Amino acid sequence: KAGVTQTPRYLIKTRGQQVTLSCSPISGHRSVSWYQQTPGQGLQFLFEYFSETQRNKGNFPGRFSGRQFSNSRSEMNVSTLELGDSALYLCASSSDPSAAHSPLHFGNGTRLTVT
Amino acid sequence: AQTVTQSQPEMSVQEAETVTLSCTYDTSESDYYLFWYKQPPSRQMILVIRQEAYKQQNATENRFSVNFQKAAKSFSLKISDSQLGDAAMYFCAYRSNNAGGTSYGKLTFGQGTILTVHP
Repeated sequence: KAGVTQTPRYLIKTRGQQVTLSCSPISGHRSVSWYQQTPGQGLQFLFEYFSETQRNKGNFPGRFSGRQFSNSRSEMNVSTLELGDSALYLCASSSDPSAAHSPLHFGNGTRLTVT
Repeated sequence: AQTVTQSQPEMSVQEAETVTLSCTYDTSESDYYLFWYKQPPSRQMILVIRQEAYKQQNATENRFSVNFQKAAKSFSLKISDSQLGDAAMYFCAYRSNNAGGTSYGKLTFGQGTILTVHP
């Protein structure tokens, strides 16, 4: 089985622009979650989707949004980029979101740099 | 809200030796899972081991084992016979099993411990 695929791997944007990141989960996985990783704040939960519905959301401003498609692929969008949005964005998929023991499978992340 | 604390920003170990990484957490819940993830330079987070809060027996996966002390809210990772490939950032993480809770479905991570393995 192919793993979680995130595109692109690297992205450089300018302040004020918007960006869309993509995540394709492992085949059969219907839950997708997103995390932001920075040296200062560590790993922080952004949101989780299951069957095209956002089930949980972290403490991020409304500039951060996401969606999930019927094939379980997910995108996250950040509008009006700020320097502080520079981070590694990780996507993870899970086969059974109702079971806490079900491990999250992570992608390699997208490294976003805002200049 | 749950918090996870890893008090060791960096640790080092000689190849073939044993090292223990510390993790403490704070929660008012009784039903949850704890995980250790490894993040090598490739950036991909890899699950190392998981522990269910209701299981008293400590989890073991080959050279990796945990010391789970529920009352003390402590969850340390022991790596035996360390190998060069074990060098990575290690994260301790908490996941609620409370379907009605606001933290359901998300992992709460510690700040991470960078492990260096010396040949």
